[in-house]
Parts: sequence; C-alpha cells; structure tokens
Amino acid sequence: GENVEQHPSTLSVQEGDSAVIKCTYSDSASNYFPWYKQELGKGPQLIIDIRSNVGEKKDQRIAVTLNKTAKHFSLHITETQPEDSAVYFCAASIRVGGGADGLTFGKGTHLIIQP
Amino acid sequence: ETGVTQTPRHLVMGMTNKKSLKCEQHLGHNAMYWYKQSAKKPLELMFVYNFKEQTENNSVPSRFSPECPNSSHLFLHLHTLQPEDSALYLCASSQWTSGGRGAGELFFGEGSRLTVL
Repeated sequence: GENVEQHPSTLSVQEGDSAVIKCTYSDSASNYFPWYKQELGKGPQLIIDIRSNVGEKKDQRIAVTLNKTAKHFSLHITETQPEDSAVYFCAASIRVGGGADGLTFGKGTHLIIQP
Repeated sequence: ETGVTQTPRHLVMGMTNKKSLKCEQHLGHNAMYWYKQSAKKPLELMFVYNFKEQTENNSVPSRFSPECPNSSHLFLHLHTLQPEDSALYLCASSQWTSGGRGAGELFFGEGSRLTVL
C-alpha cells in the first residue's frame, strides 16, 4: 500500500521567515496530493492541493511543488505569520476499492511561528 | 448548519459499554469517511462509504461497526473497546467523481475525542 513520509515533525521559524515541509510517497499510481492544516481542537482543513499533471501551484503565500520522478512533494509558506502556527499534514491519493479514492496521510509537522 | 458535524465531541466509556458516534454532512457530498487520529501517528483511514455503499474496511477490528443509512449520515458503533482505541475519531465527506479525479477535497468535522477506561 501507499506509504507517506513527512519531515520534519516539528519546525520552528521566526515570524516573516519561510517554512518548508517535505513529503515522500511510495505508490507511483497516486495522482492527487493535498495539504491540510489542523488547528487545536479542530479537524484538518485543506489549504492547497496539486495533481500529478502539474509541477507547481501557488496560492498567495503558500506554494506546493511536486516531483513525480522522485516521488516527493513539498509545501512552502513564505512571510510566515503567527496564525500559520498549526499542524500540517501532507497526503497522497490511494485507490481503496469500488473505484473510490481515499487518502494516506503523513504523520504531520507541528509548525511554530516565533514572534 | 453547514459543513460536517460530529457528535458527541467528547466521550468517555468503559470497555464493556456500547456507544455510537454520529456524523452528518450538509454539503451534498456522496462519499463519507471515518479516520482515526492518535498521538504520534498518521491519520488512519478506517472506512469509506461511496454512494452509501461501503467500499473499504481498512482492516479495522470488528468492535468498530460503521453504518451509513443515507449519503448525509454516518455512524460508528462502538462495543467492547480497548484502552488503545482512545483517540480522536474524524469524519469527513467529499464529492467523489469518476474519470480519475477521485475523492477530491475532504471536508472534516471537528472530531469526537474518545477515551476508553
């Protein structure tokens, strides 16, 4: 089955600096790679996603890059702000049967923005 | 109400109890999911319901029993649980489409925090 590795587990950066979180996956059939942000006491929320036919996608301060050959993808947050502090999860799509897709998640990265 | 609603938010139960977790989505989606979130571990997919039909049981012990009476409601029935089952149980929904685009964005509820004594 699909295995998603995520690093680092904890990342502390100064406010205004950039943060990068990296993930690798094992199943070459995966074609959808979302990133979720989870704040304390809440469920994960999608912040950006990328499909396998695209190498990079950007949405304001957030960008995701995908290297299908190397099977890795990364989240980049620029000009970090205190509200960016949260746990971030990467995920890769998996085929779960009956034609439906699910997601396999990484273990998460606790991002801490230092004032 | 909007989004995905889960009840109860917190549940404490003994190992011999029977309880249920409830999830309701107000987004008109056709797929619903149960995920388990434990400390230091990735989110684990437990069950997938697509068009009300269960399409995945990810090797989940039989002490967890899902029920999906319609595309808007999803239950997780719990009985004779173990302390290691203590976790945050997250429900999610999505609009699944054919043609390779698959599940798309998952919309999560805020979870039910389960403690088994």
